[in-house]
Amino acid sequence: DGGITQSPKYLFRKEGQNVTLSCEQNLNHDAMYWYRQDPGQGLRLIYYSQIVNDFQKGDIAEGYSVSREKKESFPLTVTSAQKNPTAFYLCASSTGQGAKSGEKLFFGSGTQLSVL
Amino acid sequence: AQKVTQAQTEISVVEKEDVTLDCVYETRDTTYYLFWYKQPPSGELVFLIRRNSFDEQNEISGRYSWNFQKSTSSFNFTITASQVVDSAVYFCALYDYKLSFGAGTTVTVRA
Repeated sequence: DGGITQSPKYLFRKEGQNVTLSCEQNLNHDAMYWYRQDPGQGLRLIYYSQIVNDFQKGDIAEGYSVSREKKESFPLTVTSAQKNPTAFYLCASSTGQGAKSGEKLFFGSGTQLSVL
Repeated sequence: AQKVTQAQTEISVVEKEDVTLDCVYETRDTTYYLFWYKQPPSGELVFLIRRNSFDEQNEISGRYSWNFQKSTSSFNFTITASQVVDSAVYFCALYDYKLSFGAGTTVTVRA
């Protein structure tokens, strides 16, 4: 089945530690996105990539980094500079234009990151 | 200011009751898209419907129906004869120059 796989499901970070969240898709989608979800808030865009080897900051990129070396993979690193990293992180993909052309997003099942 | 407002934080109903979720949006653009997504307990958001700003035709799909009214900037969603499997968080979203999500409404359907 085609879809988006996020791992791990749960992740714990120690103070001063960088952690990387994995996102893999086999939908052959060009565009990929990372969102952060906090309780009682909508999703907020962290980074997005519309093509391999290119990505742009979203609304809350500080303290995060990404790479897009392969079409199917878009890992997110939560760095020690992110002072409040506890949240639910969702990865998504779309064929290319994304919401701009009314395209729907396909989402993974998320990673819950907590600080020890 | 919130671009997408879902005033209802939580709704709890008994199975077979109807549930209406409110969504009010704000945009200055004449061309935009509206979406509803469902987030079940498993975590992933699932696309339900989209509407562009030029299509005010309301839609019924099975037990789901949507009411889009540009005059009031609303895009409401109704689940008819709710079932336990409808329990989820429902998000309304707007794309004008960027995609903005509402805070979500948690729907709990009790057997």
